[in-house]
Amino acid sequence: SSELTQDPAVSVALGQTVRITCQGDSLRSYYASWYQQKPGQAPVLVIYGKNNRPSGIPDRFSGSSSGNTASLTITGAQAEDEADYYCNSRDSSGYVVFGGGTKLTVL
Amino acid sequence: QVQLQESGPGLVKPSGTLSLTCAVSGGSISSSNWWSWVRQPPGKGLEWIGEIYHSGSTNYNPSLKSRVTISVDKSKNQFSLKLSSVTAADTAVYYCARGLDSHEGGYYYYYGMDVWGQGTTVTVSS
Repeated sequence: SSELTQDPAVSVALGQTVRITCQGDSLRSYYASWYQQKPGQAPVLVIYGKNNRPSGIPDRFSGSSSGNTASLTITGAQAEDEADYYCNSRDSSGYVVFGGGTKLTVL
Repeated sequence: QVQLQESGPGLVKPSGTLSLTCAVSGGSISSSNWWSWVRQPPGKGLEWIGEIYHSGSTNYNPSLKSRVTISVDKSKNQFSLKLSSVTAADTAVYYCARGLDSHEGGYYYYYGMDVWGQGTTVTVSS
């Protein structure tokens, strides 16, 4: 099994750029996917693959990866981006794994 | 578009079996997707429980494998979760979700879960 590690909390000033990271050995083999979850709601996929956004996801969301670290970048963060963000991928055994989540606060 | 809807008892007694069903609408469960169960204990993060393909192939979280069974009913276009010997630690919101992946040029790509149910709260208590 493999673990994905995320910072528990990150903050960003309104309109600024923020990067949320996810570290894990499995990210050397698999892309990370990223989810946004607001209180009381189901997670929403915001980034998948190399850097793909599902329909309806604003283009201020982008993804990147280097080595064992994947990043979700929000360029020009909005108040509505305040949420929990989770990364996930498969591990070396093929099992699905999630990161512990990052709480994003927009100041 | 594809929609998922979880259903099942909201209260389960300790040592009992949790049983949930996820109904797939707007698409076929026989499509080329893995179908997952994910849970979230109160105030905590997401935990993958397991997944099933329409062929019946399954993968389970090693930490839950001894207690989990996921099955598919293609005639009803739904899949189900059974979790046995439950304790208070199994109290959570349970989600079903559709997995995305691809095989291209001999490589496998995992693209996450693009469709989620609204979630159903299951409480384990006597």
